[in-house]
Amino acid sequence: DIVMTQSPDSLAVSLGERATINCKSSQSILYSSDNKNYLAWYQQRPGQPPKLLISWASTRESGVPDRFSGSGSGTDFTLTISSLQAEDVAVYYCQEYYSTTWTFGQGTNVEIK
Amino acid sequence: EVQLVESGGGLVQPGGSLRLSCVASGFDFSNYYMGWVRQAPGKGLEWTARVKEDGSGEFYRDSVKGRFSISKDNAQNSLYLQMNSLRVEDTAVYFCARPVGNGYFDLWGQGTLVTVSS
Repeated sequence: DIVMTQSPDSLAVSLGERATINCKSSQSILYSSDNKNYLAWYQQRPGQPPKLLISWASTRESGVPDRFSGSGSGTDFTLTISSLQAEDVAVYYCQEYYSTTWTFGQGTNVEIK
Repeated sequence: EVQLVESGGGLVQPGGSLRLSCVASGFDFSNYYMGWVRQAPGKGLEWTARVKEDGSGEFYRDSVKGRFSISKDNAQNSLYLQMNSLRVEDTAVYFCARPVGNGYFDLWGQGTLVTVSS
């Protein structure tokens, strides 16, 4: 199975500052036939279900603020929140959908400093 | 409104059974794979099972194979998860979710809590 490892586990950022979350897969999740990275990012606020933010490593979902961006390819990926807002306090997960077992990272908790 | 609503969670003893349900609305349920994702208390997300659009093919994570069964009733816009031989480690919130584009989840229910304890 593919293992997804996020770093850091927890992150405290001042309001208006940048937050960066990393996600590393144990094998490449870039599919050669379509040149797409099979990676998604989710936000889970306390007591809520996850919300899809980004698919295909960098495609922002409709309605997601443009302060959220995804980048990376192959095995190394990044979710960036360019200017942290109070409503961004949440746990963020990456997920690969390259394999048949759809694995999530362990999550990164983002707090306000 | 596009939504998924789960039900059926509760407290069950180890070795017992439980059936979860998820009712979909606002989209053409018959055209989509559907799945279950679980989250143990204070832990991360874990894909559990999925079923093809017409209910003909089922896929499970190894730890639930042979104990859980996923099914889909397109006439009733409903998804089910039959859970047998439950273990303490199956304790989790179970989310009904819609996988698209080869496997990311664009729609989630609110979840239903399953507690396996004596």
